Amino acid sequence: DAKTTQPNSMESNEEEPVHLPCNHSTISGTDYIHWYRQLPSQGPEYVIHGLTSNVNNRMASLAIAEDRKSSTLILHRATLRDAAVYYCILRDNFGNEKLTFGTGTRLTIIP
Amino acid sequence: DGGITQSPKYLFRKEGQNVTLSCEQNLNHDAMYWYRQDPGQGLRLIYYSQIVNDFQKGDIAEGYSVSREKKESFPLTVTSAQKNPTAFYLCASSIGGTNTGELFFGEGSRLTVL
Repeated sequence: DAKTTQPNSMESNEEEPVHLPCNHSTISGTDYIHWYRQLPSQGPEYVIHGLTSNVNNRMASLAIAEDRKSSTLILHRATLRDAAVYYCILRDNFGNEKLTFGTGTRLTIIP
Repeated sequence: DGGITQSPKYLFRKEGQNVTLSCEQNLNHDAMYWYRQDPGQGLRLIYYSQIVNDFQKGDIAEGYSVSREKKESFPLTVTSAQKNPTAFYLCASSIGGTNTGELFFGEGSRLTVL
């Protein structure tokens, strides 16, 4: 079973920030938090990942709660091209490659 | 360019036939994965391989088989034992080991059983 919980769907207005939540209450100390997004009929693409500290890259920001039991993917200024399904997964650093995706959050951007 | 290639993109098969989906990567990645996706659903792990000549069952391995004879190749065979094989199949790779970097996905293969 997936070790993360996300809302099934969210909506946001174009050009506004979007905050996508993910709960991972059973996270272990060695689990990294990864985010991917999937456009229709395509393979998922990597967005961002982190361990404890907040992370920024050109696509998004990742805010990680102090207890690491939840995280939030932040799209600073949503565009129509950000409409996708967003997945949050956990990946440990012991080489365990059994990586499980949940159902993700379907993000709709309203023009 | 480095990447991960799946073929064919679309495939039709009759019931009772086996079919093999190809996945090739030139990223020099050790780990490779196969996922299945049904309409409106998330990704479910079929098989994964952490190194050449070794692979492990995922959550829904029944009716599927794989091989990992070469580092760059991880073909998936959908056998006639798979009860509902119509789905979108995704292959992925990553550096593997204790590296916790990103997964790279192919564009997927859509299998339809007639």
